[in-house]
Amino acid sequence: AQSVTQLGSHVSVSEGALVLLRCNYSSSVPPYLFWYVQYPNQGLQLLLKYTSAATLVKGINGFEAEFKKSETSFHLTKPSAHMSDAAEYFCAVSDRARGSSNTGKLIFGQGTTLQVKP
Amino acid sequence: DTEVTQTPKHLVMGMTNKKSLKCEQHMGHRAMYWYKQKAKKPPELMFVYSYEKLSINESVPSRFSPECPNSSLLNLHLHALQPEDSALYLCASSQVALSGNTIYFGEGSWLTVV
Repeated sequence: AQSVTQLGSHVSVSEGALVLLRCNYSSSVPPYLFWYVQYPNQGLQLLLKYTSAATLVKGINGFEAEFKKSETSFHLTKPSAHMSDAAEYFCAVSDRARGSSNTGKLIFGQGTTLQVKP
Repeated sequence: DTEVTQTPKHLVMGMTNKKSLKCEQHMGHRAMYWYKQKAKKPPELMFVYSYEKLSINESVPSRFSPECPNSSLLNLHLHALQPEDSALYLCASSQVALSGNTIYFGEGSWLTVV
């Protein structure tokens, strides 16, 4: 069974500083990994997705994530934080059950709240 | 902008009421999902529809009744809910219900049960 763990439920950075949100996964098969962002009182928006085509994945709004198999990690980074980046971030893995149980459902981490200070 | 549209955005209902949440997507997707999200928690899967057929029910109480009238529409019928059912209900869709397909979410419907 797949799972993800997000290290740090709350991360605070200054505007212009590097953003690093950590995600580690557990999977016995090559995983499909996602990062979603949820702004206050909104739904989830896809930031980026890893499907084995390239280990460094670039997403929207200047975010990127690097897949490291040896570390079972998929950390999200952004070189320079903006106030508008303040939100909840979820790492997720796509369930890879076999046969008819394979519905592609997402297994989410617990989320990381990003605070950006002026 | 999300291409998954949910109505209403806010709903307040009593424990004896019957109401419905509606969801529509125009991306030609053949998989649609209902998730429930409590404050400060990740979304929890409730139902999956694949090609208009219910393929997953994650042991959801029968007071929640999903319906998929066609490939673009998904409803969630609500009856005799409890206050603990108050949450954000997210509809989502993907091209097909298989691993690796990107799941696109709507803005959600905020439900308050009084």
